[in-house]
Amino acid sequence: RKEVEQDPGPFNVPEGATVAFNCTYSNSASQSFFWYRQDCRKEPKLLMSVYSSGNEDGRFTAQLNRASQYISLLIRDSKLSDSATYLCVVSLNTGGFKTIFGAGTRLFVKA
Amino acid sequence: EAQVTQNPRYLITVTGKKLTVTCSQNMNHEYMSWYRQDPGLGLRQIYYSMNVEVTDKGDVPEGYKVSRKEKRNFPLILESPSPNQTSLYFCASSPGDRYTGELFFGEGSRLTVL
Repeated sequence: RKEVEQDPGPFNVPEGATVAFNCTYSNSASQSFFWYRQDCRKEPKLLMSVYSSGNEDGRFTAQLNRASQYISLLIRDSKLSDSATYLCVVSLNTGGFKTIFGAGTRLFVKA
Repeated sequence: EAQVTQNPRYLITVTGKKLTVTCSQNMNHEYMSWYRQDPGLGLRQIYYSMNVEVTDKGDVPEGYKVSRKEKRNFPLILESPSPNQTSLYFCASSPGDRYTGELFFGEGSRLTVL
């Protein structure tokens, strides 16, 4: 079983749609959680951190459920420019800091 | 401009020919890390470094070496590359004396081993 699992998609949605991505992680010692965005084999870039209380950044909302070991990302009012791969990322303090990436969920937003 | 710079960006080499991929950051970050990205597997951590002279293995360290003699540089060394090391490699850094989460990535190095 992968340590961080995501639905690979692709998700094909029209502009203006609301789309949700889910991610599960297996290591209960996971400490920090993030969503990164990656465009077409370019470098990943941080989209947002994820907190237990939930957090929102414009059209993006992230949620963390530690009991279920589950992370979500909601994108409202999708734009063409949201087309990308979204990576769920978990970090663990093992003496050093290990980061574990999900394989990513591909999103295509169409006009 | 704050950045992480990797070189080379593209490389085709042959089995067994030692190579080094350089990584340099100008943000005075303590934490640096190397990842490889393969289709369907996502990014996997190879090695990371919490500070100068402090390095540790990630999930897939076999066949790789690293060094951290200076804060800004974190080269990845393939002593005897093999075809299964054909991949897209990313270097990343993060600020603070503890890992805060946000990773700043280089543009990636696409390596092909024949």
